[in-house]
Formats: sequence, structure tokens, C-alpha cells
Amino acid sequence: RKEVEQDPGPFNVPEGATVAFNCTYSNSASQSFFWYRQDCRKEPKLLMSVYSSGNEDGRFTAQLNRASQYISLLIRDSKLSDSATYLCVVNKGSNYQLIWGAGTKLIIKP
Amino acid sequence: DGGITQSPKYLFRKEGQNVTLSCEQNLNHDAMYWYRQDPGQGLRLIYYSQIVNDFQKGDIAEGYSVSREKKESFPLTVTSAQKNPTAFYLCASRPPGQAYRGSNYGYTFGSGTRLTVV
Repeated sequence: RKEVEQDPGPFNVPEGATVAFNCTYSNSASQSFFWYRQDCRKEPKLLMSVYSSGNEDGRFTAQLNRASQYISLLIRDSKLSDSATYLCVVNKGSNYQLIWGAGTKLIIKP
Repeated sequence: DGGITQSPKYLFRKEGQNVTLSCEQNLNHDAMYWYRQDPGQGLRLIYYSQIVNDFQKGDIAEGYSVSREKKESFPLTVTSAQKNPTAFYLCASRPPGQAYRGSNYGYTFGSGTRLTVV
């Protein structure tokens, strides 16, 4: 089993729709969780951290479910510019190393 | 402006050759990392260094070597022993002890080097 698993997609979504991705992780000792966005042939960029209480940043909402060991990302009112690959990232136990999911590809259609 | 510079952006290597990828940062970060990304996969850690003159193997260190003679620089050499070197290579750095709420541990990424074996 991979340490961080994501549905690779692609998710083809019409502009303006709401889309959600999940990500599962295997290390129950992980404490920090992140969503990164990666555009084609570019470096990944931090989208948002994921807090236990859930958090929202504009059209983006992240949730953490520790009992089931998954995190989610919800994108409302999707824009063409949201087209990218979304990477789920989890810290490796108690240190600062990161474990990366393979990413979920999102394509927003006009 | 502070940041990480990776060079070259594109690199072509003949089979059997060693090549060195450059990573320079002016962020005064102590820790530096090298990752490899293959199509449809997440980033995998090759080597990391938490302080000058010290470095540790990551999950896929075979066929790679690094040095950390200066705080600002963490070059990665892809040796001929790396059987499948074609990939996107990313360098990152991080300041010490960044673990506050809302941070991503302060990771900063370079823009990457795309290596192709020809």
C-alpha cells in the first residue's frame, strides 16, 4: 500500500461546478497535511495546509479525518485557471520530511 | 529577492555519462533537499542535507551523489549507475524548526531541471 494515495483522475469538470478530491494516508503518526498545486512542467506550490478543524481559503475548503486517515479538498465555483494537478502531502512521522501523493489531475472545461 | 535557483532548466545526457545539477539558494536556509518526479508520480526524496558538510540518503539515493560544502549550494550528480535517470528533478530548502501552524515547514522549491537521456 502506498503511503499517500490519490485518485489520479483526470476529473473533467465544467466551469462553475464544485469538485472534491480525497487522499488517504497510511502513517497514523503523521501530524501535518497539505495540498499543493502543480501546473504542467512546473514546481509544486503550496495551496493550503489542512487543519484538524477544517479550513477554508476562498473557494477552497480542506478537511481532515484522522479516524479514517484521509484528507479532502473541495473547490467551489471552479475556474478555468484551477486546471492543474493537486498533490496531497503528509509529513513523515515526527520529522519535517514530506511524503507526496501522485496527484489528482483536474481539467476545468469552458 | 531570495529564492532557489536550479540550473540548467533542461539537460540532455548520453548514456554512461555523469551529469551535475545545480541548486543554489540565498534564503539562508539550513536544510536542502533533492527530489525526483516521474510522470504520474509524486515527488520522491533522493538526498537531503540539514547542515553544511552533512547529508543523508533519501528513499531513492542509488545512482546519485551530493555534496554540501557551502550553505548556499547543494549540487546533485546523476551517475552512470542510475539506470533510469530521465525525470524532473526538484531542489528545495527549508529553514530550521519551521513547524508553526499554517506553515508547510517553510519549504521553498526551485523551478526544476528536466533531465533526458539521449
